Amino acid sequence: SQKIEQNSEALNIQEGKTATLTCNYTNYSPAYLQWYRQDPGRGPVFLLLIRENEKEKRKERLKVTFDTTLKQSLFHITASQPADSATYLCALDGDGNNRLAFGKGNQVVVIP
Amino acid sequence: NAGVTQTPKFRVLKTGQSMTLLCAQDMNHEYMYWYRQDPGMGLRLIHYSVGEGTTAKGEVPDGYNVSRLKKQNFLLGLESAAPSQTSVYFCASSSSGGGEGYTFGSGTRLTVV
Repeated sequence: SQKIEQNSEALNIQEGKTATLTCNYTNYSPAYLQWYRQDPGRGPVFLLLIRENEKEKRKERLKVTFDTTLKQSLFHITASQPADSATYLCALDGDGNNRLAFGKGNQVVVIP
Repeated sequence: NAGVTQTPKFRVLKTGQSMTLLCAQDMNHEYMYWYRQDPGMGLRLIHYSVGEGTTAKGEVPDGYNVSRLKKQNFLLGLESAAPSQTSVYFCASSSSGGGEGYTFGSGTRLTVV
């Protein structure tokens, strides 16, 4: 069966350090993968998209990698700040039909 | 620029009642989606639309109906609400179906008692 797996345990990290989240998928061949941020009581907010032919994408303090051989994406927040505390969702285009499938999300807590 | 607006924000229904959730977007997006989010389950696609007048089933369509009569609006209907439909419902829109990011609304928290 198709799965998108993110760590269910919250990541607690000291301010200023780099937070790294993992998204693994099985039985998908996505053309692209996306990352979203979700704060409590709010809708997800789009952060980054990386395509299958791209190895790495950056946006300010965020970096995403995409390894189609390992079927894995890594999401990095460098120089983390308390304001980065949120749940981060991985999403991918599962079947090429213009609809995203989402992982369950991984909570990040940045400790001042 | 309001983006994606969902109404209502909160609602309590009795089992068997019906209701319609409204999603409106002002970005001229072709694609619109309804997801539900439950604890431990993540976001699951209910129905979606690839353009005005079109609808299609997602992962969990049972018990829901949708309509896209106007490009800017996507309605989600519950004909006979059940406690299992207690959830947070999110609407999203996209100009190209995912080749760029989705814009989400702020959600509707629905409780069915």
